Amino acid sequence: LQLQEFTSGPVKSSQTLSLTCTVSGGSISSGGYSWNWIRQTPGKGLEWIGYTYASGGAYYSPSLKSRVTISVDRSINHFFLVLTPATAADTATYYCARAIPAAGGHFDTWGPGMQVTVSS
Amino acid sequence: EIVLTQSPGTLSLSPGERATLSCRPSQSVSGSSLAWYQQRSGQAPKLLIYGASSRATGVPDRFRGSASGTDFILTIARLEPEDFVMYYCQFYGSSRYTFGQGTKLEI
Repeated sequence: LQLQEFTSGPVKSSQTLSLTCTVSGGSISSGGYSWNWIRQTPGKGLEWIGYTYASGGAYYSPSLKSRVTISVDRSINHFFLVLTPATAADTATYYCARAIPAAGGHFDTWGPGMQVTVSS
Repeated sequence: EIVLTQSPGTLSLSPGERATLSCRPSQSVSGSSLAWYQQRSGQAPKLLIYGASSRATGVPDRFRGSASGTDFILTIARLEPEDFVMYYCQFYGSSRYTFGQGTKLEI
């Protein structure tokens, strides 16, 4: 299984940050997994953003819940992150990752990460 | 919200020595939901240990996870040069995830 993050392009403050995670080598519809977004900054370390299941439904970090939407498109084996409005504090490396909730919730597969800079 | 505190922040050792990294939750948690990751500069974290003590596929047996009271321990026996990177613990509970702030293992 491989995950890969893609961004929609440059992001300006107060606008929308959009990321796509493509899943290859396996089906996002495989049961028992959650599909997560995590970000990392030098100052705050690793921060979990939220996850979705292939069946839909999502859970978010309380600190980001008001600005984040995570969704999935099983037909193309992708899942998505939308964060709005973006601020400079959202500048980070964003990772998508698969987790196994029933086995303790660990992240067994990660994408390589995508650096996103929110400019003013 | 559970907070994970890792110690020490930086650990200075030499190849061949043994490293002991700690992860302390702000309240008692189940070890079944505690994991450790290794992260090299410029790369995504890599799963080392899950369920507090189970090694992920392909992880050398010099990496060992355990619990000591309410704390969780990652022990690296016989340090190799490639082990001198960042390590994070992570907990999953109540449909949420928390990461520790990390321990840097340096030569």
